[in-house]
Amino acid sequence: GEQVEQRPPHLSVPEGDSAVIICTYTDSATAYFYWYKQEPGAGLQLLMSVFSNVDRKEEQGLTVLLNKKDKQLSLNLTAAHPGDSAVYFCAVSGGGGADRLTFGKGTQLIIQP
Amino acid sequence: DPKIIQKPKYLVAVTGSEKILICEQYLGHNAMYWYRQSAKKPLEFMFSYSYQKLMDNQTASSRFQPQSSKKNHLDLQITALKPDDSATYFCASSQDGWGVDEQYFGPGTRLTVL
Repeated sequence: GEQVEQRPPHLSVPEGDSAVIICTYTDSATAYFYWYKQEPGAGLQLLMSVFSNVDRKEEQGLTVLLNKKDKQLSLNLTAAHPGDSAVYFCAVSGGGGADRLTFGKGTQLIIQP
Repeated sequence: DPKIIQKPKYLVAVTGSEKILICEQYLGHNAMYWYRQSAKKPLEFMFSYSYQKLMDNQTASSRFQPQSSKKNHLDLQITALKPDDSATYFCASSQDGWGVDEQYFGPGTRLTVL
C-alpha cells in the first residue's frame, strides 16, 4: 500500500525565516495531496489541498510544490511567526470520494521568537 | 460553533471493558471516518463510511465496530479494551464528491486503557 515519508521530524527556525517540510510518497496513482496543522491537544486543521494537475499552489504565506516525477510534495512556510509552531502532517489519497488518507509521521516545527 | 463534535474529550478505561466514542458532524457531509493517533504509530486510518455504508476497513480487529445511526453520526465501539488501544481517536468527515475531497477533523477523544 501507499507509504509516505516525511522529513524532517523536527525543525526549528528563527522568526521571519522560511521553513520547508518535504514528503515523499510511493504510489504513482496518488492524486490528492493535503497539508494539516496540529496544535497541542487539538485536532488537525486543514491548511491546503492540491490535486495532481497542480505543480504549485500558494495561499496565505504557504506554498505547496508537487513534483510528480519524483513523487515529492513540499510545504514552504514563508516569514514564519511563533503562531506557526505546531506539528505539520502531509497526507495523500488516491481517490476523490471517501478515500482513506495516508499520513506522514509529522514534523514538529518550532519558531524561535 | 464546533462543526465536528467528539465526546468525551478524555476517557479512562480498564482492560477488558467496553467503551463507545461519539462523533457528530454538522457540516452536511456524506462521508465520515475514524483515525487513530498513538505514540507508537503515525496517524492511521481505521474506517470510512459513505451515506452510512462501510466503504473501507483498515482495522484488523473485530473489537472495533463503527456504528452509524444517522448520516451525521459515526460512533466507534471498542470492546475488550487493551492497553495498546490507548491513543487519541479522531473522527473526520468530507463531502464525498468528485475531485478534491477535503477531510475535516474533530478535536479527538484521548483514550487511556489501564
